[in-house]
Amino acid sequence: NAGVTQTPKFQVLKTGQSMTLQCAQDMNHEYMSWYRQDPGMGLRLIHYSVGAGITDQGEVPNGYNVSRSTTEDFPLRLLSAAPSQTSVYFCASSYKHTQYFGPGTRLTVL
Amino acid sequence: AQSVTQPDIHITVSEGASLELRCNYSYGATPYLFWYVQSPGQGLQLLLKYFSGDTLVQGIKGFEAEFKRSQSSFNLRKPSVHWSDAAEYFCAVVHGSGNTGKLIFGQGTTLQVKP
Repeated sequence: NAGVTQTPKFQVLKTGQSMTLQCAQDMNHEYMSWYRQDPGMGLRLIHYSVGAGITDQGEVPNGYNVSRSTTEDFPLRLLSAAPSQTSVYFCASSYKHTQYFGPGTRLTVL
Repeated sequence: AQSVTQPDIHITVSEGASLELRCNYSYGATPYLFWYVQSPGQGLQLLLKYFSGDTLVQGIKGFEAEFKRSQSSFNLRKPSVHWSDAAEYFCAVVHGSGNTGKLIFGQGTTLQVKP
């Protein structure tokens, strides 16, 4: 199993550009989440999904959209990137309360 | 509201010395607690978890943690630190009830190991 995969690993955007961070898991987990990591703040939950077709907001959802059309994929969309969204983004899938994290995407917004 | 506090932002220990990283949580019921480690530029790796039962939990890489309900703590320990243990450590608690896949993280503790 590949586990949780994320693409791209690095991305630089200009303010106002849009992009999608990809996340996929091959463990057939129902629950998936997106977090952002900023220095001194730990990881904060952006959006999560409890199954295909079901998503909900986390602690810091503004500026981000998600959808879950399949069990495997959970993309995160930035519609109009802002410098405040410069961060490292982690996707995770969850089974029996235990989360398995992807390797992360480092995003810089200029 | 649920929260997790890691009081120490940075800790420096000598190689071979013992280590204790502190974690305090705020949660009404019995919490599901985790410790993750993140090496520079890497993702998060699960060290250990506590759901119920024995309050002393063993994890990977020689780490252990003790759940103390009376102190709302879940401190991580290792008897002898290795240089490869230098990393950032995160304590986390499951948010809410049910298996929603939501974690609340502490701010993290950066461990530096002196030779």
